[in-house]
Formats: sequence, C-alpha cells, structure tokens
Amino acid sequence: DIQMAQSPSSLSASLGGKVTITCKASQDIKKYIAWYQHKPGRGPRLLIHYTSTLQPGIPSRFSGSGSGRDYSFSISNLEPEDVATYYCLQYDNLLRTFGGGTKLEIK
Amino acid sequence: EVKLLESGGGLVQPGGSLNLSCAASGFDFSRYWMSWARQAPGKGQEWIGEINPGSSTINYTPSLKDKFIISRDNAKNTLYLQMSKVRSEDTALYYCARRYYYGGYFDVWGAGTTVTVSS
Repeated sequence: DIQMAQSPSSLSASLGGKVTITCKASQDIKKYIAWYQHKPGRGPRLLIHYTSTLQPGIPSRFSGSGSGRDYSFSISNLEPEDVATYYCLQYDNLLRTFGGGTKLEIK
Repeated sequence: EVKLLESGGGLVQPGGSLNLSCAASGFDFSRYWMSWARQAPGKGQEWIGEINPGSSTINYTPSLKDKFIISRDNAKNTLYLQMSKVRSEDTALYYCARRYYYGGYFDVWGAGTTVTVSS
C-alpha cells in the first residue's frame, strides 16, 4: 500500500488568511493526487485532481502543487464556508489511499 | 443533477451481515466504475473496493476482500455492498463514489450511510 502522511491534522487561521496542507506519499505517485473538501452530513467534494487541476466551479483560491512524493494544497483568502476537513487521495496505485485529513477552523 | 444516495445502514450485531445500497441518478450509471469507501469514527477515509461497468472486474482492498462483496444492477442504477462477519471496527460511515470516467479519482460522492456494529 502507498501510505499518505497528511499534516497538520488540524489548523486554525484567520478570515482572509492562507493555509497550506501537505501530503507525503511513501513512494513516488507521479502527481496522481486529488484533494477533497468534506463537511459533516455531506459527501466529500472534489476540489483538485492531478496535483493542481481545479475542478470546474472551484474558486482559484484553492491550489495544489508538488511532485514525486511531496504535495501541498493551499487555500488563500479564507472564507467562513471553507470550514471543513480536507483530504488528499493518491490514485497512482489501484489500491487508492487517503491522507488522514486536516480539520480547518476559522478564527 | 448527478446524485448518489446510500441507504441500508443501521445497527448490526457482531458477526452479522448487512446490505447497503447506493442509488445513482443524473448520469449514465452503466458507463462508470463505482466504488465504496468508509470512514470510521475519528479516522480517515478508507477505500473498500470498486466494480467496473459490466461487473466483470471487482477490486478490493486486500484486508476487506473476504468480508465485503460489491455488486451492481445497471437496470436499477444501483450499487450494492454486502457486509458479512462484521466486527466493531467495521463501525463507520459508508460512502459510494463515482470514479471519474478518464481517471482513478472519485468525482462524485454520496452523503453516506452509518453502520454501527454493537451487541
């Protein structure tokens, strides 16, 4: 299995600020990483795939980067509706694996 | 609107069985790979497995292969998960998800159904 070490597990930031979440894979995943936003009572929402490609309708405040084993996801100009848990998913391997999640709070 | 709606969750005793369903609407269900995933309390998401459009290929995460069976009925636009020999660690929110047509990630998820294993 490819392990995805996601950090931090939680963070708090100010409205209008910027946060960055990282995922480190246990092996090269060739940019096959997606990022999701998950709010209670809903299914995860796909934000980004293939490291940095935004889904249609996702604001450009969301961004992703990385290569090899190291990937990051950022949200700028934080808004109240960004409160959620964020997950990475590697899909380089048939056995898809997720990061442990990052719970974002807004101060 | 593309939607996935899981059902069938509930309380089940250890060692018991439970069948979950996922009703799809708003897209041509018969053309897509579909998956099940779950999230146990306080833990991250875990991919359970997937099934191809024609049900000829079913892949499972190895640790769950002997207790879960994934199937589908394209005429009913419905995905299924049969759970057997459940244990307390199977307590989780169970989600169905559509795999993006041209890639390995999941582009649509349901809101999940809760399974609680307890005596």
